[in-house]
Amino acid sequence: QKEVEQNSGPLSVPEGAIASLNCTYSDRGSQSFFWYRQYSGKSPELIMSIYSNGDKEDGRFTAQLNKASQYVSLLIRDSQPSDSATYLCAVSAYTGNQFYFGTGTSLTVIP
Amino acid sequence: SAVISQKPSRDICQRGTSLTIQCQVDSQVTMMFWYRQQPGQSLTLIATANQGSEATYESGFVIDKFPISRPNLTFSTLTVSNMSPEDSSIYLCSVGLAQSYEQYFGPGTRLTVT
Repeated sequence: QKEVEQNSGPLSVPEGAIASLNCTYSDRGSQSFFWYRQYSGKSPELIMSIYSNGDKEDGRFTAQLNKASQYVSLLIRDSQPSDSATYLCAVSAYTGNQFYFGTGTSLTVIP
Repeated sequence: SAVISQKPSRDICQRGTSLTIQCQVDSQVTMMFWYRQQPGQSLTLIATANQGSEATYESGFVIDKFPISRPNLTFSTLTVSNMSPEDSSIYLCSVGLAQSYEQYFGPGTRLTVT
């Protein structure tokens, strides 16, 4: 069973702070890693993908990957109330594009 | 990315009946998937919809309960058969982009079984 675990929430941060979301995975063969944002009542929206060890930055979002530690994280800088959502970590091997999702972390940004 | 639509967006069904959910994509895609998201839970992969062949089901999901069709590269259906209240969930289709390994989700179908 491929397991993907995320830090338990809910997570609350003040507006303007850095939100840190963490994810670990069990399958060492995993090659592709994704972060999705899901607003209540909506479907997941892809916000970041990362494939190589290190950091990948996109605007206020930074994804960090450490394959040796089987760990991927998402940092949200200058958090805004509109960032309040559930963040889902997804992991995949290249073959078949099958994704395995974590349980999600609920983030609330307090104005 | 791709533009994905699902029909119906929501439905309330009686126990023992079946519902077919449609997923339409605006471009040809190789990979299509069906997920279930139960209330307050994360996403669980039901199956991979294969064009021209039988779907590949994940552990715990069977063809008799969740038959899937994929007649072409832009369309798929998922049927939830002989429904029970435990099938109340959001059903999501997604498409996989081979060139980037990313997946994009449709808006989902919210199913309530009474």
